[in-house]
Parts: sequence; structure tokens; C-alpha cells
Amino acid sequence: DVKVTQSSRYLVKRTGEKVFLECVQDMDHENMFWYRQDPGLGLRLIYFSYDVKMKEKGDIPEGYSVSREKKERFSLILESASTNQTSMYLCASSVPLNQPQHFGDGTRLSIL
Amino acid sequence: AQKVTQAQTEISVVEKEDVTLDCVYETRDTTYYLFWYKQPPSGELVFLIRRNSFDEQNEISGRYSWNFQKSTSSFNFTITASQVVDSAVYFCALSDADSNYQLIWGAGTKLIIKP
Repeated sequence: DVKVTQSSRYLVKRTGEKVFLECVQDMDHENMFWYRQDPGLGLRLIYFSYDVKMKEKGDIPEGYSVSREKKERFSLILESASTNQTSMYLCASSVPLNQPQHFGDGTRLSIL
Repeated sequence: AQKVTQAQTEISVVEKEDVTLDCVYETRDTTYYLFWYKQPPSGELVFLIRRNSFDEQNEISGRYSWNFQKSTSSFNFTITASQVVDSAVYFCALSDADSNYQLIWGAGTKLIIKP
């Protein structure tokens, strides 16, 4: 079974802090994704990566950056956290893009 | 543009009833893929099924079944003899060349199964 592990289930940070969300997958998948999920807005893609050091913006990249230095790890960075970034963050990975994405357990991030 | 519509925001049924979750999609591509995911209260998204546009056979997996109809652009999901553990938010998603095979998500249907 594919295992996607997100570093924290719950995280509380302060406005202005630099926040790192980590995601690791164990199936050698090329593609990795970061989404945020908000009530009434569904899942929105922040960034995805199709290879090491490669990244593409999703629908809502503003205020975020990503890093993929190793194939198994994809990090989401909030450069200067703001309260409107309080959300559920979901990481996923897949082989070809038309194959299922496999998700981690999610990180509920609160910015105070 | 591609779109996935899950018109039912919330459905509530009593345990053991059958329930159908609707999914209607829009795409210009002839090759595309449809997915269903389940999100229980714990939060993780669980993959249920993937169907490509050339395979219109209905699929059954235990109490779950899926009805894919290209004529009506629908990919509906039925749970037979529902159980409390089926309570979750269910998402339908579409992937096609126009979206560069990124997932286009429906808004989700919250399913509540009452004991």
C-alpha cells in the first residue's frame, strides 16, 4: 500500500512565522501535490511537483512556496503566515497524472 | 471548461437504506478519467475508484457500485444497505488532457447515516 505521511496532524503558529509542512511518500511516485481544503470551497491545488526540483503553480499559490530536494519529500512553506491561511492542508502523490492520487492524513493548521 | 457538479450538499438516511450520490461532469476531451474519494471525519482522503472514459461498464465492489453513463455525463455512486461507517464526505473528480490531468474536484456530498 502507498503510504503518504504528513509531519503533523495539528499545528498552531503565529502570524508572521515561517511555517514548514512536510510530506513524505514511500512509493517512488514522480508526482506530489499540496492542497488546501476549506469549508464551502472544496479542495484547491496550491502547488504540485512532477520531479525532483521541479514545481508548478496550482490554483492558489500566493503566499506559499514549495521545495522538493528528494523524490520522496515535498515541503510546503508559508513564508509569512497569515490568519487567512488557517486551513486543512492535504498532501498527495501519484505515478502518472491520470492515476489515483494517494493522500496523507492532512494537517490542520491554525494561524493565530 | 471542465467542471464536476455534485448537486447534493448533504444527504441523511437511516442505516440499511440504499443511497445514491450524484456526479455530473463536463469535459471536451474524449479521453478522461473519473474518480471517487471518501473523506471520513478523521480527515484523510481515501481513493475508491478510477474509471476511464472508454470503459462504461458498471462497477460493483461489495456494497458499493458505480454507474457511468456517458450519454448523461454522469458517474453516480450507490451504497447499498448503508452503514454508520459509511458516514463521510464523498468527492467526485475528473482528470483530462485539458486540465493537464490534474484533478478537477466536485464540492463533495456529506453523507450522514443514522443508526
